[in-house]
Order: sequence, then structure tokens, then C-alpha cells
Amino acid sequence: EAGVTQFPSHSVIEKGQTVTLRCDPISGHDNLYWYRRVMGKEIKFLLHFVKESKQDESGMPNNRFLAERTGGTYSTLKVQPAELEDSGVYFCASSSRQGPLYGYTFGSGTRLTVV
Amino acid sequence: GQQLNQSPQSMFIQEGEDVSMNCTSSSIFNTWLWYKQDPGEGPVLLIALYKAGELTSNGRLTAQFGITRKDSFLNISASIPSDVGIYFCAGQNYGGSQGNLIFGKGTKLSVKP
Repeated sequence: EAGVTQFPSHSVIEKGQTVTLRCDPISGHDNLYWYRRVMGKEIKFLLHFVKESKQDESGMPNNRFLAERTGGTYSTLKVQPAELEDSGVYFCASSSRQGPLYGYTFGSGTRLTVV
Repeated sequence: GQQLNQSPQSMFIQEGEDVSMNCTSSSIFNTWLWYKQDPGEGPVLLIALYKAGELTSNGRLTAQFGITRKDSFLNISASIPSDVGIYFCAGQNYGGSQGNLIFGKGTKLSVKP
């Protein structure tokens, strides 16, 4: 079974530019989560999709972040315009049922650097 | 918001030594989880704890869910070089979204052969 795939693995962009991160969950997993770790800090929840619907987006930092999951398969997270404080590692995770009790698998992350 | 205090921030130990790290919170969690992150990879679940007072082992790893539900520890016995990585504790409450984990800042473990 293929794991959670994230693309790109690394991205370096200038302040003010736009970046789109992609996550392909494990096939058949309805639940998809985005998390972010800013260097030296904790991993923070951003949002949770159930199929194509946003179940919880309470962790999204501001309206420069837009997450979509059209068709309930892969998801994208767009940052527009990027700011320096957006730098960090963005993780995606998926599960077949809600919550980490039922097999919650993380991807390898996208390391975003805004310069 | 809820925060977890994880300590120590980093550890440098000799191969074969035992390791202990812990997490505390000012609020109660229903579930405690311990993850390990290898360089360039995402966090991988090591142990999940569901009941206050529960003590669970997974090979050389042992974790306990504090009786007050506000803390947890993870022990690693007889460390080996592949134990190197960042260990995160995470808590979850059923009241909010089932997906919303609260993570600690991590403990970076280095093992000298």
C-alpha cells in the first residue's frame, strides 16, 4: 500500500510569491489533515477534510492560506502571498476513520522556506 | 489554547543507556500519543494510550498515561543508534474535532555508538 505522498519535498520562494503544496492520501482514506511545524516549535494542526468537505479549519493561520480537496482525493494547500513566518515543514496525514486511533499516517512533509 | 510542555528539549546519550522523556499539560487529555520523526520523514506513531494510569510497552519502549490525565512519559531502554530522531508527545480530546492533535515541541535524541 502506498503511503501519504507530499509534493514538493522542498520549496524555496521569495516573500510575496505563491506556493502550492500537494498531498496524496492513502487510497480510500476519507480523512485528510494538514499540520505545520515551524522550526523549533510544536507541530500545529491546520485543518481536517472529510472527503471534500472541511470538517475543521480552526488551525488555519489567516486568509493567505487556502486548502482544497476537490473530488475528495488529493488536497492542495496554497499560500498566497507567502510571508517569512510561513517557513516551516508542512505535513499531511490521512486516516480511514476520524482520529489517530484508527491508523493516522503522516507524509514526509514539504519543507517551505520563504526568503 | 492547550499546550504541552515536553522535556527535555534534547538528549545526548551513549548507546546502551536508558532514556526518559515526558510531557505535561495544564489541561486534561483523553488520549496521549508518542511519535518519532526520523530526518526527512513524517512522524510515525510509536505508542497510543487511552486510559488514565495505563502503562503500555512496544519492544524497548514503555509509555504511561498519567493518572491525572495531564501528563505522560516515554522510556526507551538500552538505546541503539537507530533510536536517533525527534520524539513528540501529542494529546487529543474527544470534545473537539477527532483530527485535532496537540503536539509538544519534541525531544531530539542523539545516541553515540
